[in-house]
Amino acid sequence: NAGVTQTPKFQVLKTGQSMTLQCAQDMNHEYMSWYRQDPGMGLRLIHYSVGAGITDQGEVPNGYNVSRSTTEDFPLRLLSAAPSQTSVYFCASSYGRGNYGYTFGSGTRLTVV
Amino acid sequence: DAKTTQPTSMDCAEGRAANLPCNHSTISGNEYVYWYRQIHSQGPQYIIHGLKNNETNEMASLIITEDRKSSTLILPHATLRDTAVYYCIVRVPNTGGFKTIFGAGTRLFVKA
Repeated sequence: NAGVTQTPKFQVLKTGQSMTLQCAQDMNHEYMSWYRQDPGMGLRLIHYSVGAGITDQGEVPNGYNVSRSTTEDFPLRLLSAAPSQTSVYFCASSYGRGNYGYTFGSGTRLTVV
Repeated sequence: DAKTTQPTSMDCAEGRAANLPCNHSTISGNEYVYWYRQIHSQGPQYIIHGLKNNETNEMASLIITEDRKSSTLILPHATLRDTAVYYCIVRVPNTGGFKTIFGAGTRLFVKA
């Protein structure tokens, strides 16, 4: 049971490049979310999903796309990277039923130059 | 979901109890109180949650006032490894619009 796995752990992009941050969980969790955390700041919700095929926007969705084709995977796509997207990105998952807390991944540290 | 207010930072002596307060005066009847912590640059870690009764687990205790407008997270014997940012969140579980919004949290410094 690996929990929530995020890849890559570190990434440097040039402005305008696109890439996909991967997130996978093996706990059969229905709910998954993506957060970003800028230096010295709290977490901000980008997108979330309540099950396969269902996604919705969080607080800061602009510049990011998500899809949820399977229960296990919830990739985050940066369409055209900008320096303002330099941040640490965390993926989290939770059971949909019952009152469970989130399990977080270890994060992806992204730098856009 | 209701908003929460937490102190920016707190200090605690090692071995003493750390009491972290949270105000959630606009909480509604079906919203739960959740606590997470984030140690340095790691992913946040779920600690505990509750609705109206006090809760305890191996990590901490959660005391919720009778009117549910505030709560306190208690770490009974704080250690240096408990130095972290602690987040108090209120939300309704099992909703189709499920989303957990984090505030700025409280930075707890445990000192030797």
